[in-house]
Order: sequence, then C-alpha cells, then structure tokens
Amino acid sequence: ETGVTQTPRHLVMGMTNKKSLKCEQHLGHNAMYWYKQSAKKPLELMFVYSLEERVENNSVPSRFSPECPNSSHLFLHLHTLQPEDSALYLCASSQDGARGTQYFGPGTRLLVL
Amino acid sequence: KNQVEQSPQSLIILEGKNCTLQCNYTVSPFSNLRWYKQDTGRGPVSLTIMTFSENTKSNGRYTATLDADTKQSSLHITASQLSDSASYICVVSEISGGYNKLIFGAGTRLAVHP
Repeated sequence: ETGVTQTPRHLVMGMTNKKSLKCEQHLGHNAMYWYKQSAKKPLELMFVYSLEERVENNSVPSRFSPECPNSSHLFLHLHTLQPEDSALYLCASSQDGARGTQYFGPGTRLLVL
Repeated sequence: KNQVEQSPQSLIILEGKNCTLQCNYTVSPFSNLRWYKQDTGRGPVSLTIMTFSENTKSNGRYTATLDADTKQSSLHITASQLSDSASYICVVSEISGGYNKLIFGAGTRLAVHP
C-alpha cells in the first residue's frame, strides 16, 4: 500500500448520472493530483492542488469538477460524462509543494455507458 | 507529439532472463527522471529517481541509467521474475511554476513467462 486510497475502485455510470470519486492520503503530503489513464496512452494530468489551492487545470472539460476540502482529501465530481471518459482515474500525492515523488493510489476504473 | 517516448511498446521474456527498456525525452527544462512500475489494475509505484547529474541508480534487480546529453534513459532488469510482469513508465519532471510537472511516457508492457 502506498498510503493513498481511492474509492470506489470500480464505477459504471450512465451519461446522465452524477457521481464522485474520492481520494484520501495518509502520508502528510501537501499536494494532490488527479490523472486520467486511457488504454495505451500516457497518463494525463487533470488537476493539481498544492496547499489546498488549485494550481493546475489542464483544459479539462467542465463535466469534471475537483474539490479539495483539506490536504488529505481530494474529490472528483462527475456529471453528464461521455463514453470517451471511460478510463482509469488515478489520484496521487506528494510533499514539498509538489516537488517530491508522487505516490499513487490504486485508481478508479470508470466505465461510462 | 509526446515529449517522452518509450520503446519497445511491449516485450515478452522468459523468467530468469535480463531485459532493457528505453526512454527518450525532449522535456526541457529538466528536473529529474523517474521510472515507475504499474501492475495491472494498480497505481504506478516509483522504482528509481535520477537528477540530471546522476548517471545510474539501482534498486535491487532494477538499474536505471541516464544520459542527459543525449536525453536517453534505460531501465535494466536482471534475472527477471514472474512478478516483474507489469507496465514500466518513464516519467520526466519539467520545472513548471512552483511544482514538478510530470511528463509521462506511454509505458512498456513487460510479460515474463515461465
């Protein structure tokens, strides 16, 4: 275990549903990230929170909405997704204002029907 | 065009054999280079990290090399085991604002057969 947990591990949702992904880190880190991993493609950085402030938003569609209520928790709220949004969503955390090694959670496998 | 290219895309070797995975990058300015191992259905786990001044770094049976002049890195796995079957991802850190922005390669999928 890396100290980063994600729930749920698997999620199937329709295009009209609203769901949320949760990430929690137990490492005392001060930066957290959301990544999207599609089959045979590099990980794509979606959002970065450093000291609970969003510092990066990589042109992610508004149907993805992040929330970082504190340094240990990160959410990704999903609504009106498209089938091409089906992917593995990975959360990571790091120390030192995001300069340190990133520790990844196990991911949430999302399928949008 | 991705700034981190890995080869081969996939590789099959027999248990006990050695193998070398390649990574070429064009990321600049460059902070450090990491190799991650990602088991199926799991998140990536860091194997090695090297700054531009380091040429080699070992972690058990994994040895990473870095040539900052040619912008090439390799990951050598010795005496492979079945548990080495995974995707190996080369990740280069780009200095961007106040944090290390990671640029990921697409990975090499390694299968170790008995």
